[in-house]
Amino acid sequence: GAGVSQSPSNKVTEKGKDVELRCDPISGHTALYWYRQSLGQGLEFLIYFQGNSAPDKSGLPSDRFSAERTGGSVSTLTIQRTQQEDSAVYLCASSFTTSLLGNEQFFGPGTRLTVL
Amino acid sequence: QQQVKQSPQSLIVQKGGISIINCAYENTAFDYFPWYQQFPGKGPALLIAIRPDVSEKKEGRFTISFNKSAKQFSLHIMDSQPGDSATYFCAAVASGGSYIPTFGRGTSLIVHP
Repeated sequence: GAGVSQSPSNKVTEKGKDVELRCDPISGHTALYWYRQSLGQGLEFLIYFQGNSAPDKSGLPSDRFSAERTGGSVSTLTIQRTQQEDSAVYLCASSFTTSLLGNEQFFGPGTRLTVL
Repeated sequence: QQQVKQSPQSLIVQKGGISIINCAYENTAFDYFPWYQQFPGKGPALLIAIRPDVSEKKEGRFTISFNKSAKQFSLHIMDSQPGDSATYFCAAVASGGSYIPTFGRGTSLIVHP
């Protein structure tokens, strides 16, 4: 019955390393979104999943970014060969469907990624 | 290209005052306009939302005003309280499209006691 959870809450890594960020959506939610929030910036859409449909990857900034969603539940965002400009808070959200009309999008607390 | 422009970037209000945050959009396909509230260290949470078939929606001290012809909408926080200090994001969604919200850049609100 808990909300969207994300792990780790904080991640410090060295430039060039790969990182994996995890999102556990609310049970039963079919839609899952990843966003990036940089200091002083709004939420930048990265990717979303809806059920078994092919994900919309239109927001991924480069081919170093990828995400998967296993079994229609847990999702992992992977950033390969991290760069300092990847430093940001990565937010995951889920909703019952992709229709936001009357279906609230619930956000997790985010993972703060720092690339040294 | 920023599709949803939000202003001001920061706002300081005295307790009991009115906080006003404005957003403007260009895409006429947008037909759902939610506002999110984010406290430090937390993810955004839906605060209030409006569809363009109404010009105003009020929930407690929070009111959205919507001007379809001007393609503008605003959030008014009446009787602002220190607990309202947070970052506020407006967003716009095209329900006939991908349902992916386009967010404004956020407004950092500080309410002084």
